[in-house]
Amino acid sequence: DAGVIQSPRHEVTEMGQEVTLRCKPISGHNSLFWYRQTMMRGLELLIYFNNNVPIDDSGMPEDRFSAKMPNASFSTLKIQPSEPRDSAVYFCASSGGTGTWAEAFFGQGTRLTVV
Amino acid sequence: SQQGEEDPQALSIQEGENATMNCSYKTSINNLQWYRQNSGRGLVHLILIRSNEREKHSGRLRVTLDTSKKSSSLLITASRAADTASYFCATGAGNMLTFGGGTRLMVKP
Repeated sequence: DAGVIQSPRHEVTEMGQEVTLRCKPISGHNSLFWYRQTMMRGLELLIYFNNNVPIDDSGMPEDRFSAKMPNASFSTLKIQPSEPRDSAVYFCASSGGTGTWAEAFFGQGTRLTVV
Repeated sequence: SQQGEEDPQALSIQEGENATMNCSYKTSINNLQWYRQNSGRGLVHLILIRSNEREKHSGRLRVTLDTSKKSSSLLITASRAADTASYFCATGAGNMLTFGGGTRLMVKP
């Protein structure tokens, strides 16, 4: 398996633009997490899906952020409109267990820069 | 919000020495996991210890868990330059896997 695949690897966009980050989890995994990493705030859990259903989105910072998982092999994180403070590395991770009982496999991340 | 807090934030040692990193957390957990992150890369799982376990080994890694003190430690023995990375503890509780701020380890050859 190629592991968790995220695209794009790097994204530079202007403030106000819509940004869509994509994630392909490991086949057969039923849990998917989106994290954001910054120097100031470290790794923050944004949202957690189990069997394609959003279970906990309490970490989503505000309404500008939305996430979907239309099927077991694809998820998106959208920011509309983007702001400079959204600049961070966004990670997607998947797990074969339920919730937090199994190890999480991380993608390489998308480095987002909003100018 | 971060559940776990690692200590120290940065650690510099010579190759061959042991490295010890500590993690403290605040609420009840199902398990505690340690991850490693090389610069510019995603996190890689190292080891998971369940709340009813006290110690676990994996190769050169030794993890302890003290639920009464809400703390864990990661020991890397006989460190190598390739161990240079950031190390994070993550606490699992319910549906949340929450990471601490990490310890940046530098192993000098």
